[in-house]
Amino acid sequence: DVKVTQSSRYLVKRTGEKVFLECVQDMDHENMFWYRQDPGLGLRLIYFSYDVKMKEKGDIPEGYSVSREKKERFSLILESASTNQTSMYLCASSLIWAGMDEQYFGPGTRLTVT
Amino acid sequence: QKEVEQDPGPLSVPEGAIVSLNCTYSNSAFQYFMWYRQYSRKGPELLMYTYSSGNKEDGRFTAQVDKSSKYISLFIRDSQPSDSATYLCAMIHMEYGNKLVFGAGTILRVKS
Repeated sequence: DVKVTQSSRYLVKRTGEKVFLECVQDMDHENMFWYRQDPGLGLRLIYFSYDVKMKEKGDIPEGYSVSREKKERFSLILESASTNQTSMYLCASSLIWAGMDEQYFGPGTRLTVT
Repeated sequence: QKEVEQDPGPLSVPEGAIVSLNCTYSNSAFQYFMWYRQYSRKGPELLMYTYSSGNKEDGRFTAQVDKSSKYISLFIRDSQPSDSATYLCAMIHMEYGNKLVFGAGTILRVKS
C-alpha cells in the first residue's frame, strides 16, 4: 500500500512566521504535489515536482516555495504566513508523469494563521 | 470561469436512493476523467476513472462521460450511509502531464 504522510494534522501559526509543511511518500514515486483545499474552491495546485531538485509552479504559487532534496520528501514553505493562507494543505504523489496515473494523497494538514 | 464546475451541495438523500453527481468542464482537451472520494479528515482516494467518452461500471458505481456536452457524471446505486463523503471530479489534459484539475467537490450525506 502506498503511504503518504504529512508531518502535522493541525498547525496554528502567527502572521509573519515561516512555516514548514513536510510530506513523505514510501513508494519511490517520481512525482509529488502540494495542494490547498478550501470550501467551494476544491483542490488547487500550489507546486509540483517530477524529480529530485526539480519543481514547477502550479496554479497558485504566490507566497509559497518548495524543496525536494530527496525523492521521498517534498516540503512546502510559507515564507511569511498570512491569514489568507489558512487552509487545508494536501500532499500527493504519483508514479509516472505521462497521462493517467493515480495520485495518492496524505491525510492533510489544517493550518490556521492568526 | 473555472475550467471544471461542480455543485458543492450538500446533497442529502435517504439510504437506498440513486445518487447522481455531476461536473461540467470547458476545455475540450481533457482526456482522462476521474472521481475521487474524500471522507471527513482524510485525503482524497481515487474511486473511478474513464478515458474519453462512455460508461464504466464498478459495483454500485457508474461513471459516465459525454465529451460532446463536456459533462461527466457519477451514479451511486443503493446508496449507503458509508457513502457519505465529498466527491471530487478531476480531469487530466494530456499536455499538462499528470497534473489534475479538480472540481469544487460535492458533499453527499446518505441518511439511514
